[in-house]
Amino acid sequence: EAQVTQNPRYLITVTGKKLTVTCSQNMNHEYMSWYRQDPGLGLRQIYYSMNVEVTDKGDVPEGYKVSRKEKRNFPLILESPSPNQTSLYFCASSQVQGLRQYFGPGTRLTVL
Amino acid sequence: AQKITQTQPGMFVQEKEAVTLDCTYDTSDQSYGLFWYKQPSSGEMIFLIYQGSYDEQNATEGRYSLNFQKARKSANLVISASQLGDSAMYFCAMRVRTQGGSEKLVFGKGTKLTVNP
Repeated sequence: EAQVTQNPRYLITVTGKKLTVTCSQNMNHEYMSWYRQDPGLGLRQIYYSMNVEVTDKGDVPEGYKVSRKEKRNFPLILESPSPNQTSLYFCASSQVQGLRQYFGPGTRLTVL
Repeated sequence: AQKITQTQPGMFVQEKEAVTLDCTYDTSDQSYGLFWYKQPSSGEMIFLIYQGSYDEQNATEGRYSLNFQKARKSANLVISASQLGDSAMYFCAMRVRTQGGSEKLVFGKGTKLTVNP
């Protein structure tokens, strides 16, 4: 089954404790992206990657890091999480210049 | 600026009736794509329908159709014969080029649809 998986689905952590949210897709997509969703703001792009070892900032990259060492994986790293990073995070993938992005199930992160 | 505007924070519709969710967009690109996604209370993002900027006919997918008016820069979603399961948040999104030559989705703030029995 074609899918994008994210782990963990839910995470409660404390300020400053480094964390990684994993994202993996099995569709051989070149393009992957991270979004955060906050009430009243819709989804905003954090980082994206056009292919292995090619990443770039989206609209709200501050406080986040990403890496793309393999085509299927695109982890999101929060080196020192803060409460304003409490949000719902989505990973998505698509063919480059494709017609649609496939979304993961979301990760609900709470930073205390 | 590349922007999606959804002016209806919330909409109500009676079961079995049709409903239109508004979406206007702003872009200077000639080539772009418009999407609608559904987000039920469970949180996942479900792709509904896509319209390319060069598509001459309005897209349709089952009970969903996209009323594309290019000159007015609008891409409204029409849901026919509403069902209780249609109650959800609906997001309009636009695929745009980035300065780096890639693509990204720009989302509107969403419309919460409630279908009443």
